[in-house]
Amino acid sequence: DTGVSQNPRHKITKRGQNVTFRCDPISEHNRLYWYRQTLGQGPEFLTYFQNEAQLEKSRLLSDRFSAERPKGSFSTLEIQRTEQGDSAMYLCASIGLAGGPGSEQYFGPGTRLTVT
Amino acid sequence: DQQVKQNSPSLSVQEGRISILNCDYTNSMFDYFLWYKKYPAEGPTFLISISSIKDKNEDGRFTVFLNKSAKHLSLHIVPSQPGDSAVYFCAALNTGNQFYFGTGTSLTVIP
Repeated sequence: DTGVSQNPRHKITKRGQNVTFRCDPISEHNRLYWYRQTLGQGPEFLTYFQNEAQLEKSRLLSDRFSAERPKGSFSTLEIQRTEQGDSAMYLCASIGLAGGPGSEQYFGPGTRLTVT
Repeated sequence: DQQVKQNSPSLSVQEGRISILNCDYTNSMFDYFLWYKKYPAEGPTFLISISSIKDKNEDGRFTVFLNKSAKHLSLHIVPSQPGDSAVYFCAALNTGNQFYFGTGTSLTVIP
């Protein structure tokens, strides 16, 4: 399978705990996006990497959220001191090097986080 | 603030007829617009896009129309098929490489 993969697919955690999600993009894709999606809403942009550089961050990304892409391949999204409002689907997407503006994003299946 | 809006949460269409999904946006600086389709338990999949310098783009059964003066775009699916039943999101891209998504329209194509 050469698509975008995300792990874990589901995570249940207690409020106050830290969680980390992983995204493996399509191997030759240099651009990587993280989104959050809650029920009845579309994906909300969180952050964007080009190779290992984090180029954009949404105001939605509070200080409790941090994302990395250390070698320009896989990425991790960590949420510290989780709150119930963090419960959502976290989606990762990637775009290839040759893709111009408006190019196709390939989405992973998402990680569903439930904070109890 | 919701910069991309899909005001119809659901739409039902008979198989073989046209499906028209609508989307409005507020930011005149968006460069590209895209439509995605999402099945349950899967991530969105790209359908079709259009540059802000064009007013129409067609790909098989899917056509996207852009009306910049009205800040409105629409997706036409002709003919509609039961396999088209899914949630459709429109999205817009700004110069900062941020994508803004609408809230989605759930399309049901009735056999």
